[in-house]
Amino acid sequence: EDQVTQSPEALRLQEGESSSLNCSYTVSGLRGLFWYRQDPGKGPEFLFTLYSAGEEKEKERLKATLTKKESFLHITAPKPEDSATYLCAGNQAGTALIFGKGTTLSVSS
Amino acid sequence: DAMVIQNPRYQVTQFGKPVTLSCSQTLNHNVMYWYQQKSSQAPKLLFHYYDKDFNNEADTPDNFQSRRPNTSFCFLDIRSPGLGDAAMYLCATSRSSPGLVNNEQFFGPGTRLTVL
Repeated sequence: EDQVTQSPEALRLQEGESSSLNCSYTVSGLRGLFWYRQDPGKGPEFLFTLYSAGEEKEKERLKATLTKKESFLHITAPKPEDSATYLCAGNQAGTALIFGKGTTLSVSS
Repeated sequence: DAMVIQNPRYQVTQFGKPVTLSCSQTLNHNVMYWYQQKSSQAPKLLFHYYDKDFNNEADTPDNFQSRRPNTSFCFLDIRSPGLGDAAMYLCATSRSSPGLVNNEQFFGPGTRLTVL
């Protein structure tokens, strides 16, 4: 069965304490790995798409990487405003996005 | 700014009373999606339209219906809401079909549905 699993479920960091979120996938014929940020009570906000192993993308303090089995979202020197739930999703040809349950990140000052 | 708009943001209905949620987009995207998201869970796809071609997920209950009268608008109709249908309903759009290039999905802010 195709699955996307995110870990940890929750992560608490101090401001400036870098860390990584993990997304492992068993999606046959993966056609894209997506990262979204979701704030409480709001819709997911698109962050990155990765298409092939070895690909990396960056946006401000966030960097997403992809291997053949997993993706990482690295957060460098996080700030309190980075607190949110980060969702990972995989895409096959002609089918819906398969979402993970998300990692809820809390950054305290 | 190009965007996905959902109305209302909050909807309260009574058990069994039909309700319609609305989504509009200014992105001119071909594909529109409806998701259901319950607390602390991943979004669950209900159905999607590629232009006017309707695609229903196999496990979407018959209680949920959708209409897309034109490129810009899409509606979610819940014919007889039950207590278990209380959730956030998310509308999303993408330029192309799932699995193709440029298929990033852009989400609206959601409608929080409460069923009394």
